[in-house]
Amino acid sequence: EDQVTQSPEALRLQEGESSSLNCSYTVSGLRGLFWYRQDPGKGPEFLFTLYSAGEEKEKERLKATLTKKESFLHITAPKPEDSATYLCAVGGYNKLIFGAGTRLAVHP
Amino acid sequence: DGGITQSPKYLFRKEGQNVTLSCEQNLNHDAMYWYRQDPGQGLRLIYYSQIVNDFQKGDIAEGYSVSREKKESFPLTVTSAQKNPTAFYLCASSPHGLAEANTGELFFGEGSRLTVL
Repeated sequence: EDQVTQSPEALRLQEGESSSLNCSYTVSGLRGLFWYRQDPGKGPEFLFTLYSAGEEKEKERLKATLTKKESFLHITAPKPEDSATYLCAVGGYNKLIFGAGTRLAVHP
Repeated sequence: DGGITQSPKYLFRKEGQNVTLSCEQNLNHDAMYWYRQDPGQGLRLIYYSQIVNDFQKGDIAEGYSVSREKKESFPLTVTSAQKNPTAFYLCASSPHGLAEANTGELFFGEGSRLTVL
């Protein structure tokens, strides 16, 4: 069965404390893994696409990596403005499966 | 600016009422989608449309209906048959449909929160 699991459900960090969010998946015929950021009461905003194991993408303090079974979103020296829910989605043929997200709170 | 506009942002429904959520895009995208978001769950697909006058049911289409009469517009009606409609509804679009590559690069609206009284 196709499935996307994100962990942890919630994460609290101090400003500057680096950490990683996990997205593990099972899907037949992977056609991309996608990360989104969602602020409270808003729609998700697209961040990254990863297609193959070993691929990495970076944007400011965020770096996404991909293996054959999971993806990590690394957050380096986070700031309070990085607080949001981060969603992971996996594309298969004619389908897109979202995880439940990780709620990140960064405190000064 | 190009983007997706959803309205209303907040909506209240009484038991037995149908309500319609609006979604308009000016990105010239072919594909449009409606998702439902509930706490602790991933986004679930209600309906999607890849071209005008054509749409397909998603995973949770029961109790919902849509139309796609114009490329720019994809309204969602939550009917009285939907037993648990209280949720956050998200409209999205993409240049290509689910069968294409880059399928996960969606542009989302700001969402509509529906509450049943």
